[in-house]
Parts: sequence; structure tokens; C-alpha cells
Amino acid sequence: AQSVTQLDSQVPVFEEAPVELRCNYSSSVSVYLFWYVQYPNQGLQLLLKYLSGSTLVESINGFEAEFNKSQTSFHLRKPSVHISDTAEYFCAVFSNFGNEKLTFGTGTRLTIIP
Amino acid sequence: NAGVTQTPKFQVLKTGQSMTLQCAQDMNHEYMSWYRQDPGMGLRLIHYSVGAGITDQGEVPNGYNVSRSTTEDFPLRLLSAAPSQTSVYFCASSAGQGSYEQYFGPGTRLTVT
Repeated sequence: AQSVTQLDSQVPVFEEAPVELRCNYSSSVSVYLFWYVQYPNQGLQLLLKYLSGSTLVESINGFEAEFNKSQTSFHLRKPSVHISDTAEYFCAVFSNFGNEKLTFGTGTRLTIIP
Repeated sequence: NAGVTQTPKFQVLKTGQSMTLQCAQDMNHEYMSWYRQDPGMGLRLIHYSVGAGITDQGEVPNGYNVSRSTTEDFPLRLLSAAPSQTSVYFCASSAGQGSYEQYFGPGTRLTVT
């Protein structure tokens, strides 16, 4: 069975400061990892994903995440946050069992302080 | 392309009532899923389908039924609503076969009194 842990339920950060949202997973098989973002009163949107290849993946709006197999982590980072980054962020893991089931973490609410 | 659409956006039910949440996608995706989102619990999988005529249970299936008669539609039925089913429900689809990105609908906010 696979699981995802997001230790921080809420992260307040000053505008233009860096941020790291932590994600750890457990799985006995190869995994694919995702970060989804949910803006207020909206559905989830894919932010970035790791399937294979380079362990550092980037999004179009300045976020990046690094797959660390030895530490079973996929932390999300941004060097300088903006007010528009205020949202809830979900880490998710997919294990290649032949079905399309994603397992989500409990989410981290990122609040940007002006 | 409308993507994944869900109706209604909001619904209030009394305990014991039944209803169907609609989900449709126009991307010809094989895989469709229903999740519920509750504060502090993330998203939990209710039911999923890997193609027309094939459905399976997820993590929290009790009190819900699904069917998949067409590729496009994947309705979720609440048989006898309970206050514990108050939640936000999301439908998602993916192409499958090596494409792992799921596309989410805008959600249905359901309140059971």
C-alpha cells in the first residue's frame, strides 16, 4: 500500500520570501509523484510531476520539486512567493499497479502575508 | 474542449434523500474517478472506472454507487444521504495507458442536513 504525508497543514510566508512544502511518501514499488494546487473555490490543477529522468522538475510559475528516492521525499519549493500563490497544495503518489489510482496527502494551505 | 464538467455546483439534501451527481468529460479519457474532499483529510477515492462498463471501489465506497455506460459519463449516486456525506465531491479523468495526469472538475459542494 502507498501513503503520502504532508506534515505541515498550514504554512504562512511573507511575500517574496522562499517557501518549502514538505511531502514524504511510502511505497514498495516504483512511484510517480505529483503536486496539485487548489485555488480558493476551484478544483485541483496539476502543478508539476515526476515520472522518470531528471529528479528536479519545474512548473511554469516558478515552483520546483526534487524527487529524493533515498529519503522518499518530493518537497516543493519556490525561491520567492507572490500573493497569487495563496492556495492549498496537495502531494500525490501513483504506483504502477495497472490502475489509475492516485493517493493524496492531506494538503498544505499556503498563506502569503503582504 | 470543456474538459471535466460537474453538476450541480451546490446541493442541499435532507437525511435519507437520494440524488445523483453528474460528471462528464469530452477528452475521450478511459479512466474516471470520484473523490471527496474533507478538511484535514485531503482527497479520498470513492469509486473509479477504467473504461465503459468497468467500475471498482476506492477507499470510501460505502453509501455510494456508480455506473459507466459510456466513456463520457460517470455519475455518482447517493442512495440514502447521511450528514457524514456532507463534503465537496470532485470528479477526475485521465487518458490512462501511461498518461498519469488526472484532470479535475470544479466540484460539487453537498450539504446533508
